[in-house]
Amino acid sequence: DSGVTQTPKHLITATGQRVTLRCSPRSGDLSVYWYQQSLDQGLQFLIQYYNGEERAKGNILERFSAQQFPDLHSELNLSSLELGDSALYFCASSGENSGNTIYFGEGSWLTVV
Amino acid sequence: AQSVAQPEDQVKVAEGNPLTVKCTYSVSGNPYLFWYVQYPNRGLQFLLKYITGDNLVKGSYGFEAEFNKSQTSFHLKKPSALVSDSALYFCAVRPPTGRRALTFGSGTRLQVQP
Repeated sequence: DSGVTQTPKHLITATGQRVTLRCSPRSGDLSVYWYQQSLDQGLQFLIQYYNGEERAKGNILERFSAQQFPDLHSELNLSSLELGDSALYFCASSGENSGNTIYFGEGSWLTVV
Repeated sequence: AQSVAQPEDQVKVAEGNPLTVKCTYSVSGNPYLFWYVQYPNRGLQFLLKYITGDNLVKGSYGFEAEFNKSQTSFHLKKPSALVSDSALYFCAVRPPTGRRALTFGSGTRLQVQP
């Protein structure tokens, strides 16, 4: 158990809809990262937050957004969903006590139909 | 920008034989290197890392990796493979400064045959 918790584990939704994925980082970790894993694109970095502030942006679409709240949990919002957004979305966290290691949650499986 | 290459999509070994999963990287400055493993329908599990120090690092489940700066490689190894090692393995690099998110390779599927 990495200590990173993601909900929901599985989600099926229709095209055009909006979903929110939730992540609780490891206790004490200030950084949260979101990654997308798809068959054709591999593991893609989406966005990083540090203590509530956006720290770095990767290949995140404009239809996607994220935020980190004062209690350090994070949410990834995906809107106007397309079939191609079907993927496994990972949240990860790191902090001063992780020795430069980034720990991943189990992921949220999103299927867009 | 940093990048990672895993030249083999799949590696097959017999149980009990040594295994190697290859990784090369490109990054400015001294790299932070990682190996993660993904079992079917599971998340990414941290195996081991190289930050500094001894070029041979040991990790979970009997895995080790050798950092070679001149060849910019960080190959994952295990002296004796188990069927239960069959999984998808990812190499990743994290720069020491700047945008510090991990950049992953494309993954190598390890199949250990009984």
